Amino acid sequence: DSGVTQTPKHLITATGQRVTLRCSPRSGDLSVYWYQQSLDQGLQFLIHYYNGEERAKGNILERFSAQQFPDLHSELNLSSLELGDSALYFCASTRFGLPNTDTQYFGPGTRLTVL
Amino acid sequence: GQQLNQSPQSMFIQEGEDVSMNCTSSSIFNTWLWYKQDPGEGPVLLIALYKAGELTSNGRLTAQFGITRKDSFLNISASIPSDVGIYFCAGPNDKIIFGKGTRLHILP
Repeated sequence: DSGVTQTPKHLITATGQRVTLRCSPRSGDLSVYWYQQSLDQGLQFLIHYYNGEERAKGNILERFSAQQFPDLHSELNLSSLELGDSALYFCASTRFGLPNTDTQYFGPGTRLTVL
Repeated sequence: GQQLNQSPQSMFIQEGEDVSMNCTSSSIFNTWLWYKQDPGEGPVLLIALYKAGELTSNGRLTAQFGITRKDSFLNISASIPSDVGIYFCAGPNDKIIFGKGTRLHILP
């Protein structure tokens, strides 16, 4: 158990819909990273938040957005869903905001299926 | 953009065999990370390498940071069934880039 929690574990929805994925970092960790993992693409970095502020953006679509709240939990919002958005979504947390040196602890993931 | 190329994509081995996989990049990284992902779980950090030429072990796992800082390899000795999974290399800069993984299968 990494100490990072993600809800829900599974989510099935239809095209065009909007969903929210939630992540609670390990106690004391200030950074949250979001990743998308699809079968043929491996782990794709989406976005990084540190202490409530956006730090870095990766391959995140404009239909996707995220935020980190004062209690440090984070939400990833996916809207106008398409079939290709079906994937595993992971969040990871670190103590600080330094991807070069901080160890990332991954949550168990949310499996999103868009029908 | 930066990419990490992992090889092989998948491996089928017998229990007890040694395993070797590697990761290459066209860019220089100052840190190399190796993660393992079990089915249905998130990736777990196995080994972190911070210095070119560094050789680090974690039990039956050994990883090396290439001298050119553009590659790294991971070896697993005397494989056991619980070694099955996907092994990812990752290179962090301002964000983390992951390779596409090497899937390890152990034949019964």
